[in-house]
Amino acid sequence: SQQGEEDPQALSIQEGENATMNCSYKTSINNLQWYRQNSGRGLVHLILIRSNEREKHSGRLRVTLDTSKKSSSLLITASRAADTASYFCATDRAGANSKLTFGKGITLSVRP
Amino acid sequence: EPEVTQTPSHQVTQMGQEVILRCVPISNHLYFYWYRQILGQKVEFLVSFYNNEISEKSEIFDDQFSVERPDGSNFTLKIRSTKLEDSAMYFCASTSHSGGAGNIQYFGAGTRLSVL
Repeated sequence: SQQGEEDPQALSIQEGENATMNCSYKTSINNLQWYRQNSGRGLVHLILIRSNEREKHSGRLRVTLDTSKKSSSLLITASRAADTASYFCATDRAGANSKLTFGKGITLSVRP
Repeated sequence: EPEVTQTPSHQVTQMGQEVILRCVPISNHLYFYWYRQILGQKVEFLVSFYNNEISEKSEIFDDQFSVERPDGSNFTLKIRSTKLEDSAMYFCASTSHSGGAGNIQYFGAGTRLSVL
């Protein structure tokens, strides 16, 4: 089993539409984060939600966390062509030096 | 805005050669990491480093790998004798892990290692 599995694997939407990406995980977590990666580039942190939080907003991003279902969703509202990228969820466990465990990622294409 | 810097951006090497990948973490950060991403696959944890010693390492991080913080700013990953399967993008990350910020890890742009 894998920690941090996203679905769908790929998503193609029209500019202006909302994009919803889901992530599931297997073990207990401390935090869940979403990162974005443009093709061949580094990982950019988007948003972090703690295990005792249920929802968080940052600009056009909304992330939810359901620890009972071990799942999270990332909503990007009013998508733009510049949102085209791969999106990864990553979890960590309690501890000051905790590694991140990444999912396989979702490829989002926003058509202009 | 402070950022994690990695050099080189692309390293080509022959199988069996030693490579050193370099990283300059964000200056006030205390925790450092290396991850790798084989083309088309997910990002995998290699090693974490704190207080001048390895905190945790994955199964991937075998005796061919080592990390070092040779001075107050650099953090290096050495692969002693590269194999074809070491070809990947290697990412360095750092975090301050202050309580309010949680475990937000800031990543460099990566070094693409190509082993021929």
